[in-house]
Amino acid sequence: EPEVTQTPSHQVTQMGQEVILRCVPISNHLYFYWYRQILGQKVEFLVSFYNNEISEKSEIFDDQFSVERPDGSNFTLKIRSTKLEDSAMYFCASSAIGDTQYFGPGTRLTVL
Amino acid sequence: AQSVSQHNHHVILSEAASLELGCNYSYGGTVNLFWYVQYPGQHLQLLLKYFSGDPLVKGIKGFEAEFIKSKFSFNLRKPSVQWSDTAEYFCAVTRPSGNNRKLIWGLGTSLAVNP
Repeated sequence: EPEVTQTPSHQVTQMGQEVILRCVPISNHLYFYWYRQILGQKVEFLVSFYNNEISEKSEIFDDQFSVERPDGSNFTLKIRSTKLEDSAMYFCASSAIGDTQYFGPGTRLTVL
Repeated sequence: AQSVSQHNHHVILSEAASLELGCNYSYGGTVNLFWYVQYPGQHLQLLLKYFSGDPLVKGIKGFEAEFIKSKFSFNLRKPSVQWSDTAEYFCAVTRPSGNNRKLIWGLGTSLAVNP
């Protein structure tokens, strides 16, 4: 059964550094999402991506965040200058048209 | 703004006990409803979903959920839990229109089943 994969599983970085979280969605899916979950809080929507552009972004997704689908298979989330409050589990998801979202295992980001 | 509430944050049951986890959402229009499960060390998996039709939906591993539109609820049930049901359970909602189907999540319920 096809799966969404994410790398790395755990990323530790210093405050102010750039990080790139990588995701490989399911191959025939067209919609891509990033969510995050800060420890003890709800899973929060960050951004959705369709047809090579952002279709919606949340208030969290400010100028420090960007997404890219550089090669037709990977889907990346970049945080330009990490803050302590960016520490969270980041989940990538993908879906076919109007269908269920399938999630990757997550990347745990720790900002020191 | 849309929101999802899960009433039980931590539930402890013995094997063979019945389970009901509450979920309410605040959105007056048409919604798609989901329950996801996250087993220890694993990723989020779909347990069941409701898009339309029969409001009683059956999912994997003997779970079911009932959509009650008048109560804005989508409660999850299982008549007899097993130790392997120990996991985190998340209720989520999305609006079925447009190209963005962002999920709005409840806080999650941690279920521990004692053997």
